[in-house]
Amino acid sequence: TQLLEQSPQFLSIQEGENLTVYCNSSSVFSSLQWYRQEPGEGPVLLVTVVTGGEVKKLKRLTFQFGDARKDSSLHITAAQPGDTGLYLCAGHSMKTSYDKVIFGPGTSLSVIP
Amino acid sequence: NAGVTQTPKFQVLKTGQSMTLQCAQDMNHEYMSWYRQDPGMGLRLIHYSVGAGITDQGEVPNGYNVSRSTTEDFPLRLLSAAPSQTSVYFCASSYSSRGIGYTFGSGTRLTVV
Repeated sequence: TQLLEQSPQFLSIQEGENLTVYCNSSSVFSSLQWYRQEPGEGPVLLVTVVTGGEVKKLKRLTFQFGDARKDSSLHITAAQPGDTGLYLCAGHSMKTSYDKVIFGPGTSLSVIP
Repeated sequence: NAGVTQTPKFQVLKTGQSMTLQCAQDMNHEYMSWYRQDPGMGLRLIHYSVGAGITDQGEVPNGYNVSRSTTEDFPLRLLSAAPSQTSVYFCASSYSSRGIGYTFGSGTRLTVV
């Protein structure tokens, strides 16, 4: 069974602080996505990374794909209340059917004004 | 563009009842999927479709049926509702199966009593 683990499970920080959340697996992924989900809504795609070691930036968010394509991190600089939400990582495995994507359980982030 | 539209937003069913969750997308995406989201378990794939007339099972297909008669629509049918099917259901679509990321609907919150 392929699993994606995310840490921490919960994170509560003050506005302006920096934070990093992690997504780890023992499996190799051909690509990995990060989503943000707000209460009562569906996940919204933030980024897709496909190359080992790849770094992508989206304003104050920095995403990194591990060299071995088994893990990823999301770093937020100077967090704002609008960053509050559930952050999900999802891996597209090279070993499963090409249509199947594995989701992690998520990191719930709360940014306090 | 409306993106992915799911109806209804909320539903309460009695054990044994059947119903259909509707999903429609207007992006001409070939790939569509149904997920359920439960606390602490992440998103789990129920069924997916790679195009009109083609469907396949995901991780948790029991108790659910799907069909794909058009590119736009991908309904999910609950045959005989059980309390274990209480969950939030999301429909997602993508133009490619190669793990580039999905567009999600806003979800249907289903309670089976």
